[in-house]
Amino acid sequence: RKEVEQDPGPFNVPEGATVAFNCTYSNSASQSFFWYRQDCRKEPKLLMSVYSSGNEDGRFTAQLNRASQYISLLIRDSKLSDSATYLCVVRDNNNDMRFGAGTRLTVKP
Amino acid sequence: DADVTQTPRNRITKTGKRIMLECSQTKGHDRMYWYRQDPGLGLRLIYYSFDVKDINKGEISDGYSVSRQAQAKFSLSLESAIPNQTALYFCATSPVDRTYGYTFGSGTRLTVV
Repeated sequence: RKEVEQDPGPFNVPEGATVAFNCTYSNSASQSFFWYRQDCRKEPKLLMSVYSSGNEDGRFTAQLNRASQYISLLIRDSKLSDSATYLCVVRDNNNDMRFGAGTRLTVKP
Repeated sequence: DADVTQTPRNRITKTGKRIMLECSQTKGHDRMYWYRQDPGLGLRLIYYSFDVKDINKGEISDGYSVSRQAQAKFSLSLESAIPNQTALYFCATSPVDRTYGYTFGSGTRLTVV
């Protein structure tokens, strides 16, 4: 079993749609959680950290469920510029960062 | 200028050749990492360094070596390149505070023929 698992997609949605991605992790002692965005052939860039109480940044909402060991990312009012691959990243109790393989999103006009 | 700079951006090399990928940073971070990315596999850790005198193997270090020349510089070498080392390579840095994520360089696309 992979340490961090994501649905690879692709998710194809129209502009203005709401889309949600889930990610599960296997190490229950994991410490920190992140969502990164990666454009084609570019480096991953930090989108947002994920806090236990859930957090929001504009159109993006991240939630953490420690009991079920999953993290979610909700994107509201999708824009064409949101098209990218979204990586779920977990820092485990050994301080190692574990990356999911990514979920690909395409937003269409 | 980018906070984390990788050179070269693209490289094609022949099987058996030695190649070095370089990374430099202006973030002032102590921690530096080398990852490779393959389609469908996500990023996998090759080597990491917590300071100039501290070098550690990651999950896929075979066939690779590293050198931490200074706090700001961390290079990755492929001693004898083979085709299955064709991948996108990223350098990353982070502060000691584990609540922060990584800052990545723009990547090196390496093709071994």
